Parts: sequence; C-alpha cells; structure tokens
Amino acid sequence: EPEVTQTPSHQVTQMGQEVILRCVPISNHLYFYWYRQILGQKVEFLVSFYNNEISEKSEIFDDQFSVERPDGSNFTLKIRSTKLEDSAMYFCASSSRGAWVDEQFFGPGTRLTVL
Amino acid sequence: GIQVEQSPPDLILQEGANSTLRCNFSDSVNNLQWFHQNPWGQLINLFYIPSGTKQNGRLSATTVATERYSLLYISSSQTTDSGVYFCAVDMRFGAGTRLTVKP
Repeated sequence: EPEVTQTPSHQVTQMGQEVILRCVPISNHLYFYWYRQILGQKVEFLVSFYNNEISEKSEIFDDQFSVERPDGSNFTLKIRSTKLEDSAMYFCASSSRGAWVDEQFFGPGTRLTVL
Repeated sequence: GIQVEQSPPDLILQEGANSTLRCNFSDSVNNLQWFHQNPWGQLINLFYIPSGTKQNGRLSATTVATERYSLLYISSSQTTDSGVYFCAVDMRFGAGTRLTVKP
C-alpha cells in the first residue's frame, strides 16, 4: 500500500541552525501539507501546498519557515534559524485532491530536537 | 477559524469494554477524519467521514454534520487500542482523547 515517507526520523540541531525536513508524498497525490505536534500537545496545521504554491498557511508558519517541491517526488520544510520552541514532531501529509474534499495520509513524522 | 473539541480528554477501560468518543466542531464541515496516534507517535487513519456512518471491524464512526458532531465507537476494546484518538476537521485537530485499555 502506498505511504508517505519522511526523513530523517530524528534530527538534533543547535539553536540558530537551519534544518530541512524531507517528505516523499504518495506518488499520485497533488496536495501536500506540513503539521507539527509539540510533545504532549495537539497536532497543528502549518501549511498546504499545491501546484508549486502555498495554498494556505497558519499563523505559526512565519518567515522562518519555507516549503519547496524541489523535484517530482520530494516535498521539504525548511526552518531557517531554529529556536528552542521549534522542538516538535513534524508530520508531512498528502492527498489526491484538496484538503477540503479528500482524505489526508500522514507520514511517520520527524522528531526535531533543538538544543 | 473552526474550533474542534473532543471529549472525554481521558478514558480508562477494561479490556472488552465498549466506548464512545465525541468530537464537536463549531462550523460546517468539509473534511473530517479520525486518527489513532500509537505509542510510537504515528498517526493512523481510522475514518474519513465528513458525513454519514462507516464501520471497520470493531470501530465505527458517525458524523452528523447538521448538528456539528462526530462519534467514534470502539467495541470490545483491546490493549492495542490504547493511545490518543484525534478528530481533525478541515485541517484543524482537536486536543484528542487519551484511551488506556487495561488487561
């Protein structure tokens, strides 16, 4: 069964460093998403992406975040200058149609630890 | 934005018991999903259910969109059902229900 994959599974970084989290969505899906979950808290929407553009973003997704689809298979989340409060599990998801009309499938997550 | 509230926040059951988890939302819904977050943190899709009723084995779900709620039923619970159950409405997650099933 097709699935969303994410790498790395765990990333440790120093405060102020840049990190790139990688995702490979399900191959025929066109809509991509990033969410985060701070330990013990609920899952929070960050951004949705379609046709090489951001289609929606939350207030969390500020200028330190960016997303990119650098090739036909990968979808990345970059955090430019990490802060301690960026420590969280980051989930990538994809759907074949838009978020408003279709089921999203989630990857296993990348646990980001900022020291 | 849409508000999503789940109840109860915590639930402890004996193996074999049945349970009902509730998700209330504040506005009309386009997309509603139920997930189980396992002890390893993975979000497992349970149901995509913006309206109607679905069943999958011991689990079933009902969404009454006009009354702005969804219910997840777990019957004959097993210890492997333990974890956090999330309802997500139009990309907004509730705070979850933490289910503990004791042997």
